[in-house]
Amino acid sequence: EDKVVQSPLSLVVHEGDTVTLNCSYEVTNFRSLLWYKQEKKAPTFLFMLTSSGIEKKSGRLSSILDKKELFSILNITATQTGDSAIYLCAVRAGNNRKLIWGLGTSLAVNP
Amino acid sequence: DVKVTQSSRYLVKRTGEKVFLECVQDMDHENMFWYRQDPGLGLRLIYFSYDVKMKEKGDIPEGYSVSREKKERFSLILESASTNQTSMYLCASSPRVPGELFFGEGSRLTVL
Repeated sequence: EDKVVQSPLSLVVHEGDTVTLNCSYEVTNFRSLLWYKQEKKAPTFLFMLTSSGIEKKSGRLSSILDKKELFSILNITATQTGDSAIYLCAVRAGNNRKLIWGLGTSLAVNP
Repeated sequence: DVKVTQSSRYLVKRTGEKVFLECVQDMDHENMFWYRQDPGLGLRLIYFSYDVKMKEKGDIPEGYSVSREKKERFSLILESASTNQTSMYLCASSPRVPGELFFGEGSRLTVL
């Protein structure tokens, strides 16, 4: 059965810390991996990764995929209170239409 | 700007009532999805549609039906609401060549 596992489930850090969130997967016929940020409302898209070893970057956030070891990490440097959210990882596999979602990592950044 | 709009942000219904949740997207996307999100269970796919009048069951379709009469609109129907359908419902859309999903703001349904 296809599955996506995120760790840790929750994390509390202080402003300025660097955090690394993990997403590992076991799926048939991997297509892509997506990261989303969810604050109080709808998830908003962060990154889509399809190739191993190529870092995607947006400001203080970056992400990389390892297709050999079947995981991705999301890094956030110099965290701010506005980074407090649930970070969701999803993998597209198989026939390409559906996503398999992890349970998310709840990040709290304290001032 | 890309937009997915869900008709109701908050609803309170009674057990046995029929519930309609509507979703409209303005991006001309072929694919549309209905998820529910519950603490500890994550996002679970109820139904999706890849074309007008086409629908496919997701992982938890029981107790739900959908309608897609026009490309931009995807409706979720609870024929007879039950308390275990209390949840946050998220609609999303994506283009035919799958990339990111664009989500609506969510509809929080409480069934009493």
